[in-house]
Amino acid sequence: ILNVEQSPQSLHVQEGDSTNFTCSFPSSNFYALHWYRWETAKSPEALFVMTLNGDEKKKGRISATLNTKEGYSYLYIKGSQPEDSATYLCAFANRDDKIIFGKGTRLHILP
Amino acid sequence: DSGVTQTPKHLITATGQRVTLRCSPRSGDLSVYWYQQSLDQGLQFLIQYYNGEERAKGNILERFSAQQFPDLHSELNLSSLELGDSALYFCASSSGQGASPLHFGNGTRLTVT
Repeated sequence: ILNVEQSPQSLHVQEGDSTNFTCSFPSSNFYALHWYRWETAKSPEALFVMTLNGDEKKKGRISATLNTKEGYSYLYIKGSQPEDSATYLCAFANRDDKIIFGKGTRLHILP
Repeated sequence: DSGVTQTPKHLITATGQRVTLRCSPRSGDLSVYWYQQSLDQGLQFLIQYYNGEERAKGNILERFSAQQFPDLHSELNLSSLELGDSALYFCASSSGQGASPLHFGNGTRLTVT
């Protein structure tokens, strides 16, 4: 069974603060790790896809790191803004062409 | 706009019936993935096609089937519907396989009464 765990399930952060959350995935048969941003009433949108151990990706105030040996990835948001409120999903892609999603971290930015 | 089109947006049907959900991938994308999102559940992987061939299967029920046609659009067929099949069904496409980002459609909301 392919299990992708995300923590925390939900997070409240004051506007202007920085935050991070975790995605754990199987360390065997790894192919890629995806992060998506999912706003209410919309569809998930891709943030990053990482494939190599030690990969770091950045897009504006959001960045992500990848550790394939121990099976985890972190997503960081610097200086949270109200528009960052969303559910952040990670997804594990294995070499058998499956892309399995975690249940997400729901982020609420408090004004 | 992701470029992925799903129809219909909403579907209400009765138990025991059969429905077909349709997905047109983004232009140039060869892979199509289907996911089910039920209440309080994450995105559950159902099935994946690449250039017309089935490549990966998730926890898809035997009552469900799918195919990808030569023009790369895909259909998900759900039969003998049960109340528990009520969910949001997403299609996503990508240019390759696991290392390419997914582009999601807006989903089809299925309600079984």
